Amino acid sequence: KAGVTQTPRYLIKTRGQQVTLSCSPISGHRSVSWYQQTPGQGLQFLFEYFSETQRNKGNFPGRFSGRQFSNSRSEMNVSTLELGDSALYLCASRRASTIYFGEGSWLTVV
Amino acid sequence: AQSVTQLGSHVSVSEGALVLLRCNYSSSVPPYLFWYVQYPNQGLQLLLKYTTGATLVKGINGFEAEFKKSETSFHLTKPSAHMSDAAEYFCAVSDARTNFGNEKLTFGTGTRLTIIP
Repeated sequence: KAGVTQTPRYLIKTRGQQVTLSCSPISGHRSVSWYQQTPGQGLQFLFEYFSETQRNKGNFPGRFSGRQFSNSRSEMNVSTLELGDSALYLCASRRASTIYFGEGSWLTVV
Repeated sequence: AQSVTQLGSHVSVSEGALVLLRCNYSSSVPPYLFWYVQYPNQGLQLLLKYTTGATLVKGINGFEAEFKKSETSFHLTKPSAHMSDAAEYFCAVSDARTNFGNEKLTFGTGTRLTIIP
C-alpha cells in the first residue's frame, strides 16, 4: 500500500512569488492535514481537510491556503512568499486516530 | 490547550546501551499520544501510539513507551541502541478526545539521538 505522496520534494522560490504543493493521501484515507516544520518554530499545524471541507485551521496568516479534491488529494498554496516561509511542509493522512506523514516538500525562499 | 515537553534536545548513548527519551504532556483529558521518528531529509515515521487500553505500548524497531497518567508522561525506551537509531524523535499529543473528527497533533520540540560506536 502506497504511503502519503508529496510533490515536489524540493523547490526554490523568490520572495513575492506563490507556490503550490501537492499531496496524495494513503488510499482510503479521507482526511488530509498539513504541517510546517522549521528549525525555529518546530512542527506546527496548518490545516486539515475532510471530504473537500476545511475542518480545522492553525494559526497562520491568510497567505496560507489549501483545498481538497473529490479523490482526497490535497494542495496547499502560499502566496506572496516571505523568507520566513522557508520550511519543510509535511502532508499527513489520517485513518481513525492515527496520522501518517509523507516525506515532505522542502521549500526554500530566496 | 494541550502541550508537550521533551526533556533534552540532544541525547547521546553508546551502541548497545539503553535509550530513554523523555516526554511529558499537558492535557485536560487523557490524550492520545504518539512518538514519531525523523531521519535526515525525510518525513515523520510513526513509531508507536497510545489511545486506550494497555499502558505499555510496543512499536517498531524495538521501541516501546509507557503511558503514566499520574506522571503525565510517555517516555520512549529501547533496551539496546543500534547505530541505525540515530535520528530525531518527536513526541506528539492529539486532541482527538475533545475534538473528534478534526483532531490535530501538537508536537514537542524533538530530541536528537546520537549513537556512539
